[in-house]
Amino acid sequence: GQNIDQPTEMTATEGAIVQINCTYQTSGFNGLFWYQQHAGEAPTFLSYNVLDGLEEKGRFSSFLSRSKGYSYLLLKELQMKDSASYLCAVLDSNYQLIWGAGTKLIIKP
Amino acid sequence: DVKVTQSSRYLVKRTGEKVFLECVQDMDHENMFWYRQDPGLGLRLIYFSYDVKMKEKGDIPEGYSVSREKKERFSLILESASTNQTSMYLCASSFSGGVTYEQYFGPGTRLTVT
Repeated sequence: GQNIDQPTEMTATEGAIVQINCTYQTSGFNGLFWYQQHAGEAPTFLSYNVLDGLEEKGRFSSFLSRSKGYSYLLLKELQMKDSASYLCAVLDSNYQLIWGAGTKLIIKP
Repeated sequence: DVKVTQSSRYLVKRTGEKVFLECVQDMDHENMFWYRQDPGLGLRLIYFSYDVKMKEKGDIPEGYSVSREKKERFSLILESASTNQTSMYLCASSFSGGVTYEQYFGPGTRLTVT
């Protein structure tokens, strides 16, 4: 079966760095997405990785290792507004998105 | 900017009622999707559509149907609402053949069936 695992909840301090991991087992791979979802709102796109390596976009970076079935989202200089759920999703061989359950990130002052 | 709108943010219906959830996108996207989101389960695909009048079942189509008569509009229908269909419903759209297949989401409809 297809499976995406990410931690249920993480806590970090304002100004710090946090890494949210995602491991996946899917039928085929056509890219991995990270989305941010604030409580009660729609998910919004953060990043897309299809090749191995690190993609940096401001305070957010996303890493992919296809051979290990592993990705992480790195958030630097955490701000209170980064408190949200972070969703990992893999585009499978049929170009369907397979979603993880999401990681709730709590930022403390 | 892509805009995906949903007809209601909050909806309360009684068991057995027929429920219509509407979704409209303004970016001429070919693909449209209906998901439900429940705590601890992530997003689960109900139905999707690649073109007008085309529909495909997702992972959990039971108890739902869809309609896509126009490219910009994708409707989700609960023929006879049940309490286990209480959930957050999210509509999304994407461009077909895009480089990233990024999906754009509407604000969601929180449906409560009593």
